[in-house]
Amino acid sequence: AQSVTQLDSHVSVSEGTPVLLRCNYSSSYSPSLFWYVQHPNKGLQLLLKYTSAATLVKGINGFEAEFKKSETSFHLTKPSAHMSDAAEYFCVVSDTFGNEKLTFGTGTRLTIIP
Amino acid sequence: KAGVTQTPRYLIKTRGQQVTLSCSPISGHRSVSWYQQTPGQGLQFLFEYFSETQRNKGNFPGRFSGRQFSNSRSEMNVSTLELGDSALYLCASSSLERWGNEQFFGPGTRLTVL
Repeated sequence: AQSVTQLDSHVSVSEGTPVLLRCNYSSSYSPSLFWYVQHPNKGLQLLLKYTSAATLVKGINGFEAEFKKSETSFHLTKPSAHMSDAAEYFCVVSDTFGNEKLTFGTGTRLTIIP
Repeated sequence: KAGVTQTPRYLIKTRGQQVTLSCSPISGHRSVSWYQQTPGQGLQFLFEYFSETQRNKGNFPGRFSGRQFSNSRSEMNVSTLELGDSALYLCASSSLERWGNEQFFGPGTRLTVL
């Protein structure tokens, strides 16, 4: 069975400071991991994905995440927060090729302080 | 390419009624998945269809059903609506061309049950 745990339900950072959103996963197989973002009243947009290639994954809008198998973590980071980054972020796991079932974390709400 | 479209965007129903939601995937995508998003339960997988066959199913009662047509468009149906069915229903499509293929989400249908 697969699962993800997002360690913080709410993160607040000042504009221009680094962002760290934490995610731990559990999977019986070699997982695919994703970060999705959801802005208010909008659908989900993929930020980045890990699929067993490079462990450091770069995504859109300056976000990146590092897959650490020994720590079963896939934390999302950004060097400098922007006001437009305020949104809900979901860590997601899929552990079987051809199995399109995604298991979502509970989400982290990111607030940017001007 | 046009994105995933969902209709209607908003629905208001009363308890006991039934509802049908529609999803048109991105052209060429053969897999369509449905998710329910609520404040209490977060994002939960409902089911996934591929080539008109249900391949995966989440832990939802039989009142929730779906189907997929030969053009990959999908519908989900909820019968005997309950207050707890009020949620944002998200549809996602993917092409299944490779491992960890991205799922593209539609804007969702907001269902309110009174």
